[in-house]
Amino acid sequence: KAGVTQTPRYLIKTRGQQVTLSCSPISGHRSVSWYQQTPGQGLQFLFEYFSETQRNKGNFPGRFSGRQFSNSRSEMNVSTLELGDSALYLCASGMAGGAETQYFGPGTRLLVL
Amino acid sequence: GDSVTQMEGPVTLSEEAFLTINCTYTATGYPSLFWYVQYPGEGLQLLLKATKADDKGSNKGFEATYRKETTSFHLEKGSVQVSDSAVYFCALSARETSGSRLTFGEGTQLTVNP
Repeated sequence: KAGVTQTPRYLIKTRGQQVTLSCSPISGHRSVSWYQQTPGQGLQFLFEYFSETQRNKGNFPGRFSGRQFSNSRSEMNVSTLELGDSALYLCASGMAGGAETQYFGPGTRLLVL
Repeated sequence: GDSVTQMEGPVTLSEEAFLTINCTYTATGYPSLFWYVQYPGEGLQLLLKATKADDKGSNKGFEATYRKETTSFHLEKGSVQVSDSAVYFCALSARETSGSRLTFGEGTQLTVNP
């Protein structure tokens, strides 16, 4: 079974631009969560989607948004990029969206100049 | 709120040494506990998990026991290898309050020298 895939793997943007990241979960998984990883803040939860509905949201500004499609694929969008948004963005999928095992993708590394 | 505290790193060991990485947590209810490992340039891989008190998770020689009385989930391995060099994250998921949301510790960088 294929694992979680994320595209693109690397991105370079400039301040003020917007960016969209994509995540395809493991087949059959309906829950997708997004995390931001930085050296200073570690791993921080952004949001979780289950059956196309945002079920949980972390403490990030409204510039960070996401959505999930009927095939469980998810996208996250960051508008008006800031230098501090440079990070590794990780996507994780799970079957039912409970306190179960989450399987992570390789991440998208975003650099904001 | 929920939180996870890991021992401060980095940790440097010689091959075949014994490894312990401490992890304590604060959570409401009865969380599930996890150890994830991250190799350079990669995402997180699940190493092991435990879902209730006194459960022992194990995988690839690593073990951790869910201790509710001490709110701990320490990671151990009897004999580390160079290939174990990576960053290790302790995490919890408290379904009653946060669905699939994982709360992570700070991560511990492990370097194993030959």
